[in-house]
Amino acid sequence: DAGITQSPRHKVTETGTPVTLRCHQTENHRYMYWYRQDPGHGLRLIHYSYGVKDTDKGEVSDGYSVSRSKTEDFLLTLESATSSQTSVYFCAISPRDSYNEQFFGPGTRLTVL
Amino acid sequence: KNQVEQSPQSLIILEGKNCTLQCNYTVSPFSNLRWYKQDTGRGPVSLTIMTFSENTKSNGRYTATLDADTKQSSLHITASQLSDSASYICVVRHIEGYQKVTFGIGTKLQVIP
Repeated sequence: DAGITQSPRHKVTETGTPVTLRCHQTENHRYMYWYRQDPGHGLRLIHYSYGVKDTDKGEVSDGYSVSRSKTEDFLLTLESATSSQTSVYFCAISPRDSYNEQFFGPGTRLTVL
Repeated sequence: KNQVEQSPQSLIILEGKNCTLQCNYTVSPFSNLRWYKQDTGRGPVSLTIMTFSENTKSNGRYTATLDADTKQSSLHITASQLSDSASYICVVRHIEGYQKVTFGIGTKLQVIP
């Protein structure tokens, strides 16, 4: 998985609790992304980062925040989890080049009860 | 509305047979079109990439074609193997917005003995 790890890999939590997912890379790539994958939908971008402390919103950012204090780590936080945030979350990384291939992590399956 | 549509949604074929997966997109203009393979429980992995000026790209038994005039792409798998069982996702990168990509929902392929 191209030097990308995600933790935890599985999590079950209750509505209203805060949740933080971690993405760690060893590739020193500039760009990092958080996606969610749900049945009937293609992967959808939540937030992305183009450098340390530089982040921007994707198409489904409501209810999520991110932080990137180091090149290798990108955190996704659900401040108050809701059942609609039950999903599989993928982190991806990419270098800045003309093709901008994204390399995906193994995913985190999150269930909000 | 998703601008990348894939068909069929699912497909079952016998080992050794060929198959073709379709991708129709409305993103225009676009930078490149990529096919990913996603094994169950794992993140997507890139198979091929084509820019708008390319017609075909091969990666082993996988051959992707692109018709920019009709906005269609196909992924042809030759002599299928059990390990080809996966979801295949078509992804189009927009020209505007460096980070803007649109993912198809994918075609779930099952290869049976």
